[in-house]
Amino acid sequence: SQQGEEDPQALSIQEGENATMNCSYKTSINNLQWYRQNSGRGLVHLILIRSNEREKHSGRLRVTLDTSKKSSSLLITASRAADTASYFCATVYAPGANSKLTFGKGITLSVRP
Amino acid sequence: GAVVSQHPSRVICKSGTSVKIECRSLDFQATTMFWYRQFPKQSLMLMATSNEGSKATYEQGVEKDKFLINHASLTLSTLTVTSAHPEDSSFYICSAGGGNTGELFFGEGSRLTVL
Repeated sequence: SQQGEEDPQALSIQEGENATMNCSYKTSINNLQWYRQNSGRGLVHLILIRSNEREKHSGRLRVTLDTSKKSSSLLITASRAADTASYFCATVYAPGANSKLTFGKGITLSVRP
Repeated sequence: GAVVSQHPSRVICKSGTSVKIECRSLDFQATTMFWYRQFPKQSLMLMATSNEGSKATYEQGVEKDKFLINHASLTLSTLTVTSAHPEDSSFYICSAGGGNTGELFFGEGSRLTVL
């Protein structure tokens, strides 16, 4: 069953604006990951944040994790039209290469040029 | 990052036929691969965990005899959709682990259309 729940489900912004996407989950986790999917394509890993971390940055991406609220946010700063895609959060219960990812429903981000 | 290749990217078949989809890890060995299914505008649903040299582990509700998984080597897993029906039409994505963090690398997906 899906664990992550993202909101909003759809987000439309103007190029240059910041985009904030939220994800909530239900059980304790080892780490939480954000993925991006362009239409009809596979998933691209964006960033991973461990349960003992609170914030992480990667380029224009900023991810926060609040384990007390079981929630995470993904911020994309200075958005570009090329950022238009679906974004998914996924949780991992236990570490290791055999760990399963449980995906949220996804957020569709549209960046207007 | 690590590369996972899927083939074919698109396949159209007649109802009742079987279709095989391949998933290869190109630059690393993967003892475990995962197969997901994704319907339009929906999330990825894990179908099964493919284990090299042993039987796959299927998620609840996924028919083992319908979706045959073979993981014969450390770089190749195959998913065969047997006796395909139009309701099997979907986007199938595989992934493989790249380390102890749980980070997964995904293939580009295979879009199956059953007529």
